[in-house]
Amino acid sequence: GNSVTQMEGPVTLSEEAFLTINCTYTATGYPSLFWYVQYPGEGLQLLLKATKADDKGSNKGFEATYRKETTSFHLEKGSVQVSDSAVYFCALASNAGKSTFGDGTTLTVKP
Amino acid sequence: DAGVIQSPRHEVTEMGQEVTLRCKPISGHDYLFWYRQTMMRGLELLIYFNNNVPIDDSGMPEDRFSAKMPNASFSTLKIQPSEPRDSAVYFCASNPDGSYEQYFGPGTRLTVT
Repeated sequence: GNSVTQMEGPVTLSEEAFLTINCTYTATGYPSLFWYVQYPGEGLQLLLKATKADDKGSNKGFEATYRKETTSFHLEKGSVQVSDSAVYFCALASNAGKSTFGDGTTLTVKP
Repeated sequence: DAGVIQSPRHEVTEMGQEVTLRCKPISGHDYLFWYRQTMMRGLELLIYFNNNVPIDDSGMPEDRFSAKMPNASFSTLKIQPSEPRDSAVYFCASNPDGSYEQYFGPGTRLTVT
C-alpha cells in the first residue's frame, strides 16, 4: 500500500534560517504529491503540490520537487519567518478518493 | 465560497453521552472525508463518501462510531456512547471529482470527561 515517511520533529530554527523537511514515499503508479500546513487551532490547508515527476511546486517562498528516482518530495524554504511556525504534512494521492498523510513535522521559528 | 463548515467548534460531554458532529462540504465537491487527529495517533482517516455513498469505512474505530451523508451538502459523524479515549479534534474535508487536493474544515475539538 501507499505510505509517506517524513522527517521527525520538532524542528526549531532561527528567523531567516534555511529550512528542509524531508519526505519520502512508497506508492504504486504515479501519485500526486502535496505539502499541507496546519496553523494552531486550524485545519490543514494546501501549501503546494506536484502532479508528475520533476515538477516543482512552490508557494509563499516554499518549494518542493517531485523526485521519482529517489521517491522524495522534500520541502524547502530559503529564509523562514516566525509566521511559518506550524505543522507541515507531506501527502500523496493516487486517486481522488483517498490521500495518504505523513505524521507531520512541527516547525518553530524563533525571532 | 465559505469553505468547509463544521459545527460545533468545541464540544465537551460526559462519558456515555451521544455526540453528533456536523459538516457542510464545499458546494460541488463530490468527496467528503472524516478524520480524527490526536497527539498519539496523528491524523487518521475514519471514513469517506463519494456522491453521498460511503466508500471506505475501514478507519472507523468501532461500532460506537457511525457516519451518514443524507445529501450532497451535509454529513454527520455520531459517537454513541462516547468514551474519554474519543477525545480528539475531528476534521471534515472535501474535494471535487478529478482533483486530489483536499479542503479541510476548521475541526471540532471533542472532550469527553
